[in-house]
Amino acid sequence: SQTIHQWPATLVQPVGSPLSLECTVEGTSNPNLYWYRQAAGRGLQLLFYSVGIGQISSEVPQNLSASRPQDRQFILSSKKLLLSDSGFYLCAWMDSGNTIYFGEGSWLTVV
Amino acid sequence: GENVEQHPSTLSVQEGDSAVIKCTYSDSASNYFPWYKQELGKGPQLIIDIRSNVGEKKDQRIAVTLNKTAKHFSLHITETQPEDSAVYFCAVAGGTLTFGKGTMLLVSP
Repeated sequence: SQTIHQWPATLVQPVGSPLSLECTVEGTSNPNLYWYRQAAGRGLQLLFYSVGIGQISSEVPQNLSASRPQDRQFILSSKKLLLSDSGFYLCAWMDSGNTIYFGEGSWLTVV
Repeated sequence: GENVEQHPSTLSVQEGDSAVIKCTYSDSASNYFPWYKQELGKGPQLIIDIRSNVGEKKDQRIAVTLNKTAKHFSLHITETQPEDSAVYFCAVAGGTLTFGKGTMLLVSP
């Protein structure tokens, strides 16, 4: 069966520091991969998606970037964090039936 | 692009009551409609979904109904329990997946 892992689960970082959140998917090949963010409130904001290695689409301009160095690995990065980057970050993958499965999330607090 | 409206934003019920959450969408070509449940501090989990060739689907206490003509679909939870308390998201897929803004369901004992 397929599983999705993301880490770290919790992160407290100072303003201006770099960020790296990692996500891996097991049990499937060439999945569509996604990064979402939930800020204060409940909405799911799509940040990036990838349909294959090295292919990244950005949904909103921001202080973040994403990379997909391997088929089942998706990384969310920042060179210099802002206070507004605080939030709950979710990695997800989509199966062939358009169903999206989420990881457990990473809480980022920028101080 | 697709526009998904979800109502209500907050819903409080007594244990044992039914709860209904409704979503409308704009793109008539959309063909897949999942519902997710998100508990505090966790990622959303798929609880039920429906495709456009079906009008209703049930799984124990939860059901989803779809009206493609009117472009709306609903989540029904019967005999609610305190552990049903969570945020629920609807979503609509045509090409990409678009989420509603969520409904916080609170079930009081």
